[in-house]
Amino acid sequence: NAGVTQTPKFQVLKTGQSMTLQCAQDMNHEYMSWYRQDPGMGLRLIHYSVGAGITDQGEVPNGYNVSRSTTEDFPLRLLSAAPSQTSVYFCASRSPGSNSPLHFGNGTRLTVT
Amino acid sequence: AQSVTQLGSHVSVSEGALVLLRCNYSSSVPPYLFWYVQYPNQGLQLLLKYTSAATLVKGINGFEAEFKKSETSFHLTKPSAHMSDAAEYFCAVSTDSGGGADGLTFGKGTHLIIQP
Repeated sequence: NAGVTQTPKFQVLKTGQSMTLQCAQDMNHEYMSWYRQDPGMGLRLIHYSVGAGITDQGEVPNGYNVSRSTTEDFPLRLLSAAPSQTSVYFCASRSPGSNSPLHFGNGTRLTVT
Repeated sequence: AQSVTQLGSHVSVSEGALVLLRCNYSSSVPPYLFWYVQYPNQGLQLLLKYTSAATLVKGINGFEAEFKKSETSFHLTKPSAHMSDAAEYFCAVSTDSGGGADGLTFGKGTHLIIQP
């Protein structure tokens, strides 16, 4: 069982560059979400999706885009990277069932210089 | 609106001592509460969750938490700390028993340090 797979594990960008953080899950989960983790801030929701073709904004969506063309994949795009986007990014997924917990990937550590 | 407050960004205990990590919540509807653990360079793993079936919830690795509505608290405890318990712990709240389509609202985390 691969679970939730995030790539890359590490990335360094220059200000203004764009990139896509990949997230894939093999559990057929309908719900997927992206969080960023910053010291002393906990995890904050960026975007989420309740199924293919449906996405919505979370708490801190500015500077990020998402799409959900398949159930398995939920990429996060940084359009023009800024130093404030230096963070650790986590993708998570779950099924809609009430007893289904969130499954997290191992994270992508992004540094923007 | 819902929120979570974790008291203490760092907690240090001796190996074998009681672990107590504090969590208070705010929710306009009956909440579902979760504790997650994060080991270094890893994602979060579910420790336990409260879904109204019982106020005392037992989780993995010997942890348990008690839901106290009158105190709006969901503190995490373990009778005897082990070196392997050193990690970051997050309390989270949701209005959905599974954590919501829009995910959980997390506290800022408590870093648990175990002294030998």
